[in-house]
Amino acid sequence: QKEVEQNSGPLSVPEGAIASLNCTYSDRVSQSFFWYRQYSGKSPELIMSIYSNGDKEDGRFTAQLNKASQYVSLLIRDSQPSDSATYLCALTGGGNKLTFGTGTQLKVEL
Amino acid sequence: DVKVTQSSRYLVKRTGEKVFLECVQDMDHENMFWYRQDPGLGLRLIYFSYDVKMKEKGDIPEGYSVSREKKERFSLILESASTNQTSMYLCASRTGVNQPQHFGDGTRLSIL
Repeated sequence: QKEVEQNSGPLSVPEGAIASLNCTYSDRVSQSFFWYRQYSGKSPELIMSIYSNGDKEDGRFTAQLNKASQYVSLLIRDSQPSDSATYLCALTGGGNKLTFGTGTQLKVEL
Repeated sequence: DVKVTQSSRYLVKRTGEKVFLECVQDMDHENMFWYRQDPGLGLRLIYFSYDVKMKEKGDIPEGYSVSREKKERFSLILESASTNQTSMYLCASRTGVNQPQHFGDGTRLSIL
């Protein structure tokens, strides 16, 4: 079993809709969780960090964490074509390394 | 803003060459990382460093070495480049445990 699981997609949503991206993880001691956005040919860019259970909102983005169920999700409201990218889930259990999922490709269609 | 700078965006080398990829960060971060990213395989950790002159192997260290002589600079070395090392190489840094990593722009390396 992979440590961090993401559906590779592509996930297609119409412009203006809510995009929901999900990530599950296997290590119960994981403490910090991050979402990165990566455009094709570019490097990953941090968009959200979340450390405690519940929701964290930043503009059109909401990260949700449920440690008991071992999942973290990212909601993108009012999706725009510029949101089309691959979204990487990452987490750390307190050690020096960050563990990444393989990413979910999001396509926002006009 | 954190700035992580990789020396080259694109690089073409020949098999058997010794290749140096340089990474510099300007935020006094303790931790620095080198990844490669290939289609369908995601990000794979090659090496990381948590202090000057300290290094630890990641998941795929074979064929690579690293050097960290100064806190701000972390170099990745391909001892004898091979075609299977053609990839996108990404450097990242962070302040410490439980903090996010910040990435450089990446180096797309082609080994011919």
